[in-house]
Amino acid sequence: DTEVTQTPKHLVMGMTNKKSLKCEQHMGHRAMYWYKQKAKKPPELMFVYSYEKLSINESVPSRFSPECPNSSLLNLHLHALQPEDSALYLCASSQWQRETQYFGPGTRLLVL
Amino acid sequence: SQQGEEDPQALSIQEGENATMNCSYKTSINNLQWYRQNSGRGLVHLILIRSNEREKHSGRLRVTLDTSKKSSSLLITASRAADTASYFCATFPGTGANSKLTFGKGITLSVRP
Repeated sequence: DTEVTQTPKHLVMGMTNKKSLKCEQHMGHRAMYWYKQKAKKPPELMFVYSYEKLSINESVPSRFSPECPNSSLLNLHLHALQPEDSALYLCASSQWQRETQYFGPGTRLLVL
Repeated sequence: SQQGEEDPQALSIQEGENATMNCSYKTSINNLQWYRQNSGRGLVHLILIRSNEREKHSGRLRVTLDTSKKSSSLLITASRAADTASYFCATFPGTGANSKLTFGKGITLSVRP
């Protein structure tokens, strides 16, 4: 199984809402990632988890809160987002941090 | 800041032609990776080439790496309409405990049927 799944596919939320994005992989990968991608731009790294511990936080605002409940799951909790946070949020995983990353299909988020 | 910079930014070719995309980077790398992204979807990994490798093939794809020039190229032979996508090179640095993969700005490839 070489698939990374993400739910939901689409999400519309107001600026006062709290929502969560979910990512799952069953490849036994030890590194998992959250990226944010705006239209016609490359993915921007947000967070990296390595062996279920947060290893990189790219100075992401605290309204984004990552969580890694176990080695297969990665969540991104969203609270009090701004319209400029509207983007495609991609999850990825890799065996180790320097290896090939496998991406999920993404969650398209719209903040109203 | 982006480590990899792709060239050209956009490429339009006829089906059956070859497409060549280039990537340049600034600092030493452990490996360089190429990814494809169809419109609005997740990225798909194409090839990873390590700093001690010079060329790799995968089906219709050929990637070269020249570490002396800090550049890489991706060649897609006999292109198909389905190859229409954005292509990104990404570099993983050679040193640093918490290094990260850094993506270039991407190349938009259009293959006309």
